[in-house]
Amino acid sequence: AQKITQTQPGMFVQEKEAVTLDCTYDTSDPSYGLFWYKQPSSGEMIFLIYQGSYDQQNATEGRYSLNFQKARKSANLVISASQLGDSAMYFCAMREKTAGNKLTFGGGTRVLVKP
Amino acid sequence: DTEVTQTPKHLVMGMTNKKSLKCEQHMGHRAMYWYKQKAKKPPELMFVYSYEKLSINESVPSRFSPECPNSSLLNLHLHALQPEDSALYLCASSPLGGAYRDEQFFGPGTRLTVL
Repeated sequence: AQKITQTQPGMFVQEKEAVTLDCTYDTSDPSYGLFWYKQPSSGEMIFLIYQGSYDQQNATEGRYSLNFQKARKSANLVISASQLGDSAMYFCAMREKTAGNKLTFGGGTRVLVKP
Repeated sequence: DTEVTQTPKHLVMGMTNKKSLKCEQHMGHRAMYWYKQKAKKPPELMFVYSYEKLSINESVPSRFSPECPNSSLLNLHLHALQPEDSALYLCASSPLGGAYRDEQFFGPGTRLTVL
């Protein structure tokens, strides 16, 4: 079974609108971290936001926020006020304490922002 | 200095060549990683060095040989590669030796083409 699932292979969003990228995960480890990365066409993976399994509040970083629903094992990324530069591939990833240094990625969601 | 650098940006090599990819970080991070990423796929972990020791080898073929000369440098030596090894090779580093909340910082990658 996949540990990280991103069900949206691609999405269009209008500039200045908000977009939600879905991510569900599967783990029995009580200690884990969830990460979102952005990968533009240039290739570099850019860290966006982190949510720890014990964090009580949803993480926020500027225009990025994470809708963390622990019981449902979901960690959706919300990008507010989309900009043309947000067009990229977005990966959700998880790191379990028992897995050491291993970061497991979902399949990614490609976002295209329309002017 | 808050970045991970990788050289070269692009590499074309024949199946009989020997080449090396280089990765460098000066953030004092103690864990460094090599990932392989095929087009339209998420990154796949290849190797992890923690405190300059190889801690994870994800059953990578021996034609890929990692080396960590010091805490700032990570090399990937390539020999007798196959065309299917053509991919984007990403290097990353993280502050600690593998805590699950460690954020990984990625370099821009090396686009490798094997002819």
